[in-house]
Amino acid sequence: NAGVTQTPKFQVLKTGQSMTLQCAQDMNHEYMSWYRQDPGMGLRLIHYSVGAGITDQGEVPNGYNVSRSTTEDFPLRLLSAAPSQTSVYFCASKTSGGGGDTQYFGPGTRLTVL
Amino acid sequence: SQQGEEDPQALSIQEGENATMNCSYKTSINNLQWYRQNSGRGLVHLILIRSNEREKHSGRLRVTLDTSKKSSSLLITASRAADTASYFCATSSSGNTPLVFGKGTRLSVIA
Repeated sequence: NAGVTQTPKFQVLKTGQSMTLQCAQDMNHEYMSWYRQDPGMGLRLIHYSVGAGITDQGEVPNGYNVSRSTTEDFPLRLLSAAPSQTSVYFCASKTSGGGGDTQYFGPGTRLTVL
Repeated sequence: SQQGEEDPQALSIQEGENATMNCSYKTSINNLQWYRQNSGRGLVHLILIRSNEREKHSGRLRVTLDTSKKSSSLLITASRAADTASYFCATSSSGNTPLVFGKGTRLSVIA
């Protein structure tokens, strides 16, 4: 199993550009989420999904869109990149339900917006 | 806003010493978890303690949970240089709700 994979690893954008951060998992996990990590801020939740076709907002959703058409994939779209979105982005997955709370993280995407 | 707050923000110890990190949270939880992050990497799950448990062990790790004080501690015994990392606590109010992370404790173990 590859676990949780993220592409790209690094990305530089100009202000106003759009892009999609890819996330995929091969563990048949129902639950997937996106976090951003900024220095001194820990991880903040952007969006999450409890299953295909279901998404919800986290703490910092503005400027980001998600969709969940399959169990495996959970892409994060930046609609019009801003310097404030410079961050490291982590995708994570876990099984839903009380017994599956351990969350598995991808390696991260380091995004710089100029 | 973040649910958990780790204390201290940074900790530096000698190899072989014990390291203790604390986490306080605000609302009722289903479980509390600790994660580790090496520089530039994703987070790795260390240990989970449920709200009806008071103490849990895993190798050199010992976690305690005091739900009356809404706090948890992570003890790493006989630390090694390889334990150098950031450690985060995360809380969940139920299996289907998002994990909410604290800001982390940066641990440096000096050989």
